Amino acid sequence: AQTVTQSQPEMSVQEAETVTLSCTYDTSESDYYLFWYKQPPSRQMILVIRQEAYKQQNATENRFSVNFQKAAKSFSLKISDSQLGDAAMYFCAYRSRRGSQGNLIFGKGTKLSVKP
Amino acid sequence: NAGVTQTPKFQVLKTGQSMTLQCAQDMNHNSMYWYRQDPGMGLRLIYYSASEGTTDKGEVPNGYNVSRLNKREFSLRLESAAPSQTSVYFCASTHRESHPSANYGYTFGSGTRLTVV
Repeated sequence: AQTVTQSQPEMSVQEAETVTLSCTYDTSESDYYLFWYKQPPSRQMILVIRQEAYKQQNATENRFSVNFQKAAKSFSLKISDSQLGDAAMYFCAYRSRRGSQGNLIFGKGTKLSVKP
Repeated sequence: NAGVTQTPKFQVLKTGQSMTLQCAQDMNHNSMYWYRQDPGMGLRLIYYSASEGTTDKGEVPNGYNVSRLNKREFSLRLESAAPSQTSVYFCASTHRESHPSANYGYTFGSGTRLTVV
């Protein structure tokens, strides 16, 4: 079974600085999706960025980018120019591309604080 | 607005009471899911429905039942609530794996905070 591990329960960053959140996963599959979700205090789950495993190029969405290392099974999220609104729980998630096993598997989350 | 609608947003139950959480999506998604979120545990899958007419157990199905009423609606029922079921519950939906938009991840509802006393 696939697993997702976020080794940093909490992180802190100064406003306007850069922070990297770590995520590793375990799978025997070669084709899958990886995601980062943001959960602010409102509780809403918001998709931040996604990566398809067959793509070597790292995904980027404005201030958010990933470092996808397929061989190392690592998928870190970099937030540049951090803003107060970035404070939230961040979840890394894995999704198989194989049929009924396409359920989203989450890590336990990293709580990000942003200091003014 | 298109999306996933969950009701209720908050609920307090006494031990042994039953209730149904409702979920509806208007994005024509095939697959729907129920997760629970507990502190320090992330989101864990309770049940899912890969397509209309099918349901399957996830990681933590005990104490729950589900019904995929039609393509839009997927309900979660607690027959006899227990304090261990105190949690935040999320419904989500997505296209099936073979759909060209399958890589867009899941769309989540806003969650239901359930407290069992």
